[in-house]
Amino acid sequence: EVQLVESGGGLVKPGESLRLSCEASEVTFGSYSMNWIRQAPGKGLEWVSCISSDSRSTYYANSVKGRFTISRDNAKNSLFLQMNSLRAEDTAVYYCAREPTGVAYDIWGQGTMVTVSP
Amino acid sequence: QSALTQPASVSGSPGQSITISCTGTSSDVGIYNLVSWYQQHPGKAPKFMIYEANKRPAGVSDRFSGSKSGNTASLTISGLQAEDEADYYCCSYAGSGMVVFGGGTKLTVL
Repeated sequence: EVQLVESGGGLVKPGESLRLSCEASEVTFGSYSMNWIRQAPGKGLEWVSCISSDSRSTYYANSVKGRFTISRDNAKNSLFLQMNSLRAEDTAVYYCAREPTGVAYDIWGQGTMVTVSP
Repeated sequence: QSALTQPASVSGSPGQSITISCTGTSSDVGIYNLVSWYQQHPGKAPKFMIYEANKRPAGVSDRFSGSKSGNTASLTISGLQAEDEADYYCCSYAGSGMVVFGGGTKLTVL
């Protein structure tokens, strides 16, 4: 069974940076678009970013554009999210999710918690 | 990039059917068939339930069905069971690579 495992979350201060990772257990990782989706404590899901299978296309929610950068390393079956200039409102569980077809997230990781607080 | 509108809560008794609505605009749900639905139990990651508005992935019970009309998508659960109690989220493509989720609906099985 395909698995996604996120890591890299933690407690940081406003304005600091953090890099999240998501490792896939499947060799076909490079065939799929991948996404980051977050969920603030007690709140709903919010799409954050998407990267195409070949890294040629990247997309961001307006709330993170210019601060977050998505990337991937298909040779290492890994997805990344570089988060700069973090704000309190970025506090959330961050999930990585596989997208086999348009806006269909079929496999999710367990999530990694990011807390931005003084 | 406004969130899709879902009812905050719905409820039903075991065996009954319920429908959760997801209202967007002519810029997202109304123009794209790329609507998906997710079930989330407390403390767990979301589970993929419906894609392309009305398609069910392998392994998802046929008690779950999706539809779309105009700017509103819907998820119907028939033969309600206790384990269906969860939060449900809709999601739609919004053009130019953007994606928007609904605010979520808490389903209570009475």
